[in-house]
Amino acid sequence: GENVEQHPSTLSVQEGDSAVIKCTYSDSASNYFPWYKQELGKRPQLIIDIRSNVGEKKDQRIAVTLNKTAKHFSLHITETQPEDSAVYFCAASQPNFGNEKLTFGTGTRLTIIP
Amino acid sequence: DAGITQSPRYKITETGRQVTLMCHQTWSHSYMFWYRQDLGHGLRLIYYSAAADITDKGEVPDGYVVSRSKTENFPLTLESATRSQTSVYFCASRPTRGFGTGELFFGEGSRLTVL
Repeated sequence: GENVEQHPSTLSVQEGDSAVIKCTYSDSASNYFPWYKQELGKRPQLIIDIRSNVGEKKDQRIAVTLNKTAKHFSLHITETQPEDSAVYFCAASQPNFGNEKLTFGTGTRLTIIP
Repeated sequence: DAGITQSPRYKITETGRQVTLMCHQTWSHSYMFWYRQDLGHGLRLIYYSAAADITDKGEVPDGYVVSRSKTENFPLTLESATRSQTSVYFCASRPTRGFGTGELFFGEGSRLTVL
């Protein structure tokens, strides 16, 4: 099955600086890579996703890049703000019709230092 | 619009007891999932369901039972709870079926403590 590794497990960044979280996946057939944000005590929520036919996707201060050859993808947050403090999960999914399960990474706790 | 709700939100039980966590969604989403969240392990899939009466195992199914007699409900039962099942459980749903996947909508979570 798919295996997703996520690094770092914790990350502290000065407010206004950029944060980068990296994930690698094992199955070259995976083609969908979402990122979820979970604030303390809340449910995970999708913040951005990318499909394997795209190399980069941006949404305001958030961007995701995908390197299919190396089987890794990254989340980039620019101009970080206190509300960016949360746990971030990457995930990967295979395009197997009827078997569309997401495999999550172990999470990165991002702390924005004011 | 209630969305997806879980109950109970908090539960304390003892080893060996049966516990059922409920999940209800009002969107008529086809897919429903149960994940457990543990520090250092992220979110791990327990069971999922593609439609009513169709369920399948995920990554960590041992010790759990699910059913889905109606599209909107997907209960998770721990038949004989163990301390290792102390965790936060998230139910999730997704509307689409087909090539690739879409957004998962999570419930608020159920925190279970097994003493």
